[in-house]
Amino acid sequence: IAGITQAPTSQILAAGRRMTLRCTQDMRHNAMYWYRQDLGLGLRLIHYSNTAGTTGKGEVPDGYSVSRANTDDFPLTLASAVPSQTSVYFCASSPTGTEADTQYFGPGTRLTVL
Amino acid sequence: GQNIDQPTEMTATEGAIVQINCTYQTSGFNGLFWYQQHAGEAPTFLSYNVLDGLEEKGRFSSFLSRSKGYSYLLLKELQMKDSASYLCAPRDSNYQLIWGAGTKLIIKP
Repeated sequence: IAGITQAPTSQILAAGRRMTLRCTQDMRHNAMYWYRQDLGLGLRLIHYSNTAGTTGKGEVPDGYSVSRANTDDFPLTLASAVPSQTSVYFCASSPTGTEADTQYFGPGTRLTVL
Repeated sequence: GQNIDQPTEMTATEGAIVQINCTYQTSGFNGLFWYQQHAGEAPTFLSYNVLDGLEEKGRFSSFLSRSKGYSYLLLKELQMKDSASYLCAPRDSNYQLIWGAGTKLIIKP
């Protein structure tokens, strides 16, 4: 079934630990995105990639890193987790990243940092 | 700065019509999206407006006025399954979506 998958579904993590959230899409979309969603706030862009091999910083990039080695995968890494990174993380993709370009979302990862 | 304003919560009755308003200020403008998000789930695409006017898609319609920085989502013949949050997201000059906090719509029988 075509779409975006994320792993893990949820995770409880001790502060200071390293964590990688995985995101894979099979739609051959060029652009991919990582958002976090916190109660009472809109989705906030962490990092994005307009095409394989390139990445860019979003609104809240500090404490996070990404890589885009190929079209399908866009992992998000927390080098040393802190409690303020407790959130729901959504990965999304879109065909081109420009013009009338709809973003499609993965199911999300619920992360708790203690 | 960039800013999106939507009502936090609205309540409507099954079978009725509801209008969810959104005002926005962005650095440049390249269209506006509406997404639906059920509790605990991912956002899903509803509509896209880039020119002024009304876009109709079944029970859902979306309106845009670029000069006023204003959009609304109109939901007709409300069903219980329409209970969800509705997210307004204009796109700025860098083609990045700027997301509102969303409007939680509660449908009562």
